[in-house]
Amino acid sequence: GQQLNQSPQSMFIQEGEDVSMNCTSSSIFNTWLWYKQDPGEGPVLLIALYKAGELTSNGRLTAQFGITRKDSFLNISASIPSDVGIYFCAGQLPSGAGSYQLTFGKGTKLSVIP
Amino acid sequence: EPEVTQTPSHQVTQMGQEVILRCVPISNHLYFYWYRQILGQKVEFLVSFYNNEISEKSEIFDDQFSVERPDGSNFTLKIRSTKLEDSAMYFCASAGITDTQYFGPGTRLTVL
Repeated sequence: GQQLNQSPQSMFIQEGEDVSMNCTSSSIFNTWLWYKQDPGEGPVLLIALYKAGELTSNGRLTAQFGITRKDSFLNISASIPSDVGIYFCAGQLPSGAGSYQLTFGKGTKLSVIP
Repeated sequence: EPEVTQTPSHQVTQMGQEVILRCVPISNHLYFYWYRQILGQKVEFLVSFYNNEISEKSEIFDDQFSVERPDGSNFTLKIRSTKLEDSAMYFCASAGITDTQYFGPGTRLTVL
């Protein structure tokens, strides 16, 4: 099956610093998504990318869908303590009857030092 | 804002017992999903469901698993005879006419 390689696995940064994480895949995906997961919670969608080369922002978050459709990065600017959590990339493909299957990366655990 | 809800938040069961995990998807959504996340690992796809039947299932979703939409609001995942390795967080997700999947808060299943 498809595999997503997400890096780095974990990050420790000072409050106010910018953060960058990325995902690569050997397979092409129609859509790339970035989710954030807080402890004991489900993944919450941050950004969805639909077109190759697309650059999308959501507040302090910026993500881009690679031209080859095999990679994506997520940047967080001016980090704050509530950015702490695990960030997952996910690739999406159609799986029949109009439904879609998500393949997740292993996550990047972000810690912000006040 | 509408959200996916799941019950219970935590289920503890003995190995070999049957469990049913419940989800209430967002009300106008048509596509329903179950995912699993073993502690410390990535989220894994189990099954997708549309129009009262399974659209696709992963190799994890073997004969011990089943899904059902018993009424207009609930979506359930049943594990017939739980194994130790079934211990995980189970997430329900739903999607509407766009393909964006919204996740519930999860049920933590602990098999003893």
